[in-house]
Amino acid sequence: GDSVTQMEGPVTLSEEAFLTINCTYTATGYPSLFWYVQYPGEGLQLLLKATKADDKGSNKGFEATYRKETTSFHLEKGSVQVSDSAVYFCALVTGGGNKLTFGTGTQLKVEL
Amino acid sequence: NAGVMQNPRHLVRRRGQEARLRCSPMKGHSHVYWYRQLPEEGLKFMVYLQKENIIDESGMPKERFSAEFPKEGPSILRIQQVVRGDSAAYFCASSRTDNTEAFFGQGTRLTVV
Repeated sequence: GDSVTQMEGPVTLSEEAFLTINCTYTATGYPSLFWYVQYPGEGLQLLLKATKADDKGSNKGFEATYRKETTSFHLEKGSVQVSDSAVYFCALVTGGGNKLTFGTGTQLKVEL
Repeated sequence: NAGVMQNPRHLVRRRGQEARLRCSPMKGHSHVYWYRQLPEEGLKFMVYLQKENIIDESGMPKERFSAEFPKEGPSILRIQQVVRGDSAAYFCASSRTDNTEAFFGQGTRLTVV
């Protein structure tokens, strides 16, 4: 079946540092890929998505590129801020719809 | 426009009791999804409902768990005779159609003591 593997957290960075959170997947067919973010006390919010190979999703300075050859969708940001502290979830869906398969989440803490 | 509302946010139940978790979708949304997040695990799909219909319940445990989405009122996830292993965060999401973005609620954290 489908699965998503994320790097384990927590990840602690200083403000303005470069962020990478690794995500790899296995899926039948051609999935759409997503990153969700959960800020403290809130629900999950869609951060960005990519629906086909080589697509790059981007939002709020975050980027991720759909790499079919390495089955990866790593999240990157060039300069993190304290306000980026949250839990980040990588997810996929195959065949359309909203039946998502999630990774375990990676907690990011950004310090001054 | 209020987002997806889940209540209660926190629920404590003793073993053997029933737990009822509620989810009010966003206005105009008729598709509801329930996910469960066990400790140290990712969110796992449980069930997908449209108004008055269960579309996909492939992630629901075979016993003690049920879900409904009546014509009027919120979607309800019901867990009968709870056990310690049911302790988890339960998230609800809603969407306008089955191919548009799903928006998540803040979750209900169930603790079974």
